[in-house]
Amino acid sequence: KAGVTQTPRYLIKTRGQQVTLSCSPISGHRSVSWYQQTPGQGLQFLFEYFSETQRNKGNFPGRFSGRQFSNSRSEMNVSTLELGDSALYLCASRRAPNTEAFFGQGTRLTVV
Amino acid sequence: TQLLEQSPQFLSIQEGENLTVYCNSSSVFSSLQWYRQEPGEGPVLLVTVVTGGEVKKLKRLTFQFGDARKDSSLHITAAQPGDTGLYLCAGEGYQKVTFGTGTKLQVIP
Repeated sequence: KAGVTQTPRYLIKTRGQQVTLSCSPISGHRSVSWYQQTPGQGLQFLFEYFSETQRNKGNFPGRFSGRQFSNSRSEMNVSTLELGDSALYLCASRRAPNTEAFFGQGTRLTVV
Repeated sequence: TQLLEQSPQFLSIQEGENLTVYCNSSSVFSSLQWYRQEPGEGPVLLVTVVTGGEVKKLKRLTFQFGDARKDSSLHITAAQPGDTGLYLCAGEGYQKVTFGTGTKLQVIP
């Protein structure tokens, strides 16, 4: 059974650009959550999608957005990148909301 | 707002020593998970505890959920270098999962 796949693994972008990250959950899992992890702030919740609908949203600016497709794959987009957006972005796959989470390896985003 | 405080924040010990990591909150959780994360990788689920007072063992790791389901502890016996990593607790509440602040463990050979 394949795990959670996040692409790309590493990304370097310039301030002001936009970026799209992808997450393919475990087969049969319909909930995908996104987190930002930095050394100073720890793991911060961005948003959760379930059955193509955003179910919950964390306290991030509108530059951070996401969506989920009918096959449960999810993308998150960050527009007008800032240096402070440099972080490890993690995707968590769940069979349904409030069930055990299985994480991908993450996408390491560096903004220069 | 649900908060999960972990202590200690950092821990550096010698191989063979025992240690305990704590995860505390003023909120009640329906369940709580513990994860271990290695540098550059995503967190890996270790255990889920559901019932107040529940104790689960995973080889040298012992997890306990508080009677009131507000806190949890992780005890490692005879720590090994392979136990090195970031330990995270995560509490599931009403429509929301809250992650703890993390405990960075280093086990020195």
